[in-house]
Amino acid sequence: EAGVAQSPRYKIIEKRQSVAFWCNPISGHATLYWYQQILGQGPKLLIQFQNNGVVDDSQLPKDRFSAERLKGVDSTLKIQPAKLEDSAVYLCASSLPLDPQETQYFGPGTRLLVL
Amino acid sequence: SQQGEEDPQALSIQEGENATMNCSYKTSINNLQWYRQNSGRGLVHLILIRSNEREKHSGRLRVTLDTSKKSSSLLITASRAADTASYFCATDRTGANNLFFGTGTRLTVIP
Repeated sequence: EAGVAQSPRYKIIEKRQSVAFWCNPISGHATLYWYQQILGQGPKLLIQFQNNGVVDDSQLPKDRFSAERLKGVDSTLKIQPAKLEDSAVYLCASSLPLDPQETQYFGPGTRLLVL
Repeated sequence: SQQGEEDPQALSIQEGENATMNCSYKTSINNLQWYRQNSGRGLVHLILIRSNEREKHSGRLRVTLDTSKKSSSLLITASRAADTASYFCATDRTGANNLFFGTGTRLTVIP
């Protein structure tokens, strides 16, 4: 089965510019997550979707970050305007509802560098 | 802030030796999971242990959970060079599969 797809894999922008990341989850996975992983740290959840509804966005910096999953499949995460501290890997993950192992399947991530 | 903290931050062993990583967390949990991350890649789920379980095995992996001490350990037996990666524990507090990841242990297995 195809895994979680993310694009682009790498992005370099200047501070105050905007950037968008795209995620295509595994087919049939209703739950989608966006994580931010700063170098040397574990992933931090930014937002969780169940189909096209938001389950948890308590750690999303809403003044500059936004995410949507309009049709309950693909999702985009946007940063506008970017700050230097946004440099990180942005990971998308998806999962099946009622999976007894509650496994999250991660994409390869988008590595963002803000100069 | 991160929910879990792994210990040690880095571990280097010879191939064939066992590797033990520890995870401590702060609040009550529904379950605890361990993930592996190879350099430059996404995370891969290894094993889940529920709050009412004390020990679980999967192949060369053994996970223990002590809810009274709010800690877990991951043991990898007979390590291989391919086990070189970062290992993260992640806790689910809410039951909604909303995971809080620790800071990770970077394991290096020397051939």
